[in-house]
Amino acid sequence: GNSVTQMEGPVTLSEEAFLTINCTYTATGYPSLFWYVQYPGEGLQLLLKATKADDKGSNKGFEATYRKETTSFHLEKGSVQVSDSAVYFCALSDRAAGNNRKLIWGLGTSLAVNP
Amino acid sequence: SQTIHQWPATLVQPVGSPLSLECTVEGTSNPNLYWYRQAAGRGLQLLFYSVGIGQISSEVPQNLSASRPQDRQFILSSKKLLLSDSGFYLCAWSAPGRGTDTQYFGPGTRLTVL
Repeated sequence: GNSVTQMEGPVTLSEEAFLTINCTYTATGYPSLFWYVQYPGEGLQLLLKATKADDKGSNKGFEATYRKETTSFHLEKGSVQVSDSAVYFCALSDRAAGNNRKLIWGLGTSLAVNP
Repeated sequence: SQTIHQWPATLVQPVGSPLSLECTVEGTSNPNLYWYRQAAGRGLQLLFYSVGIGQISSEVPQNLSASRPQDRQFILSSKKLLLSDSGFYLCAWSAPGRGTDTQYFGPGTRLTVL
């Protein structure tokens, strides 16, 4: 079945460092790929998404490219801030119940950015 | 614009007591609705999802049940809570139809069972 594998955390960086959080997937067909962010004590927020191969999703300085050849969707940011400290989840869409879809989730990667 | 509400925000309940968590969505019709649980330091576990009124799919056998009495209302219940039911409960919605798989989350309910 479909699955998502994220790099384990926690990841600890200094402010202005470069960030990469790896995400690889196994899927049949052509799923959409997502990154969500969860700040402490809050629900999840959609950070970015990509719906087909070679698409690049971007938001708030974060980027991820849908790489079908390597089945990856790695999250990157050139210069992290303390406010980026959160848990990041990679997910892919999985068809269920006709056209309505579930998401398959990675386990999340905790990021702590120190000033 | 669409908004999603959950209440209560926090809840402390004794073992064996009943549970009712509510989720409502505004600004959309016939959404897909989802209940997730997140244990401390863990990932998301999908508990239930619903594609319409009275239509509930259960993902894992457990002590919980879900109901959808109205189009934009999704309720998570238990008759008798267990210690293992503690966690952060998240409700989410997505639009029906193809290509609308993005899910939008509510603020969550923190449940502690003592």
